[in-house]
Amino acid sequence: DPKIIQKPKYLVAVTGSEKILICEQYLGHNAMYWYRQSAKKPLEFMFSYSYQKLMDNQTASSRFQPQSSKKNHLDLQITALKPDDSATYFCASSQDWDSYSDYTFGSGTRLLVI
Amino acid sequence: QQKVQQSPESLTVSEGAMASLNCTFSDGTSDNFRWYRQHSGKGLEMLVSIFSDGEKEEGRFTAHLNRASLHVSLHIREPQPSDSAVYLCARGRLSGSFNKLTFGAGTRLAVCP
Repeated sequence: DPKIIQKPKYLVAVTGSEKILICEQYLGHNAMYWYRQSAKKPLEFMFSYSYQKLMDNQTASSRFQPQSSKKNHLDLQITALKPDDSATYFCASSQDWDSYSDYTFGSGTRLLVI
Repeated sequence: QQKVQQSPESLTVSEGAMASLNCTFSDGTSDNFRWYRQHSGKGLEMLVSIFSDGEKEEGRFTAHLNRASLHVSLHIREPQPSDSAVYLCARGRLSGSFNKLTFGAGTRLAVCP
């Protein structure tokens, strides 16, 4: 059984619309993250959360808003979608937020904005 | 911005021949380094994580870290066609006490039978 569940696996959205990417982890980890992998850039860090608190934000645009309703949930809301937002979005988690603990990645949500 | 550079961009080896992938970084006095594998359309699978200079082996995967030369490598012993994937080098840095990874662009490995 997958330890990190991302939904949906694939998503097609119209420019200007809003979508929510879902992530749940069942590893008992205390830190969760979002990373983005686009065609033209390496996998890049977006957000980190610990105990439902935003700890680090490397995303310039306020159109990207993480939402954490429970410790093991970290969803990503994207508003006013643009074609440049097309990418695979990976959720990840690690045991601790203050160490070099290993990450576990989800299988990703592949978003296409048309 | 701290960068992670990977080489080569792509590599083809024959089944059973050693595959060697490279990663250089701008500085990393307090970082750890990880190698991940990503099969097409899939998530990331961690292969090996290394913090200390020297060598660390995990099955057929061996990482070598040399901080003085700002270099970390991955060697795959007896590669098989199922090892064909993109290999990603990542640096783990404590940024504001948080565990954040910076990735290279990847090396696409093809293992031919």
